[in-house]
Amino acid sequence: KNEVEQSPQNLTAQEGEFITINCSYSVGISALHWLQQHPGGGIVSLFMLSSGKKKHGRLIATINIQEKHSSLHITASHPRDSAVYICAVRYSGGSNYKLTFGKGTLLTVNP
Amino acid sequence: DGGITQSPKYLFRKEGQNVTLSCEQNLNHDAMYWYRQDPGQGLRLIYYSQIVNDFQKGDIAEGYSVSREKKESFPLTVTSAQKNPTAFYLCASSTIQYSRNQPQHFGDGTRLSIL
Repeated sequence: KNEVEQSPQNLTAQEGEFITINCSYSVGISALHWLQQHPGGGIVSLFMLSSGKKKHGRLIATINIQEKHSSLHITASHPRDSAVYICAVRYSGGSNYKLTFGKGTLLTVNP
Repeated sequence: DGGITQSPKYLFRKEGQNVTLSCEQNLNHDAMYWYRQDPGQGLRLIYYSQIVNDFQKGDIAEGYSVSREKKESFPLTVTSAQKNPTAFYLCASSTIQYSRNQPQHFGDGTRLSIL
């Protein structure tokens, strides 16, 4: 069964801390997405990766294809970073457009 | 600004009633998707459409129906056959290029509850 596992499920941090959220998947993929879901429910796409590392502002996403693992890092965390972070993958050889989603990591950053 | 508009934000359904959730996009995307989100679970694909007048079932299509008469619109009907319709519904869209790896753009969702 193709699954996407995220850890931790819940994460509480103090403002300014360095945050790491992890994502593991079970078989080969063609792309991995990191998404952010705010309390109102809307989802924003943060990164799409197939290899290496991407950076946008204080957010960094890395992927290790051999280990089937990706991490999302937030440097100098801020209360406005509080959200659910979701990992999703497109499996190689699967439907062109189907994504398999993790259950999400709830991040709370306290001032 | 281009984006995806879902309406209404909150919807209530009586037992035995069909309801339709609206999804409109002005991003000129060919592909559109409907997802269901339940507490403690990842998003699950209900239906998707790659082109006007064509759509395919996702993982949990039973009790749902869709239409794609216009490129911009992909409404989802939750029928009375869906026994557990209370959930958060998200619509998304993406381009279709020769490369499979295109990001999906999401709407703000519709929360459906049973009265």
